[in-house]
Amino acid sequence: DGGITQSPKYLFRKEGQNVTLSCEQNLNHDAMYWYRQDPGQGLRLIYYSQIVNDFQKGDIAEGYSVSREKKESFPLTVTSAQKNPTAFYLCASNRGGGAYGYTFGSGTRLTVV
Amino acid sequence: ILNVEQSPQSLHVQEGDSTNFTCSFPSSNFYALHWYRWETAKSPKALFVMTLNGDEKKKGRISATLNTKEGYSYLYIKGSQPEDSATYLCAFKGGNKLVFGAGTILRVKS
Repeated sequence: DGGITQSPKYLFRKEGQNVTLSCEQNLNHDAMYWYRQDPGQGLRLIYYSQIVNDFQKGDIAEGYSVSREKKESFPLTVTSAQKNPTAFYLCASNRGGGAYGYTFGSGTRLTVV
Repeated sequence: ILNVEQSPQSLHVQEGDSTNFTCSFPSSNFYALHWYRWETAKSPKALFVMTLNGDEKKKGRISATLNTKEGYSYLYIKGSQPEDSATYLCAFKGGNKLVFGAGTILRVKS
């Protein structure tokens, strides 16, 4: 079955470290997205990519970086510059455009210790 | 940043009750309105994507309506069941980004 795989499910990071969250899809979707969830808030867009080798900043891109070298993969790096990285991170994909629903992964919970 | 509001924030109903939630969004530059269901420990699942003013969508006991001119959408659940317990998210697309509301948490008691 096609879907999106996020790993790891839980991640602990020491302050000052960079960590990379994995997101892989086998749906042949062109577009991929990273969202962050904090308690009481809606999902907020970090980065998105509509095509391989291209990506755009979302609303809260500071302290994060991404790459899109393959259609299937869209890893997110949380750098030491991200001041409050503890959150739940969701990856999503769709065919592109807003008329298609998003398929989401199961998320990664990142905690800074 | 666009503002997408959902109400109520949470809702507790008895099994068999019908219920509805509201999603408010900007009435300009509308492209699409999405509804998702997010069950605990699972990933959000798309319920509906609506693009036209006056759209009505239905899936089983769940239906949604859309008014783009006044900037709101309603999600209805008829005869709520315990398995309907979840967070219901709406999301507005007006440009390149899909902007989510904070969600409505529904708990159905048997």
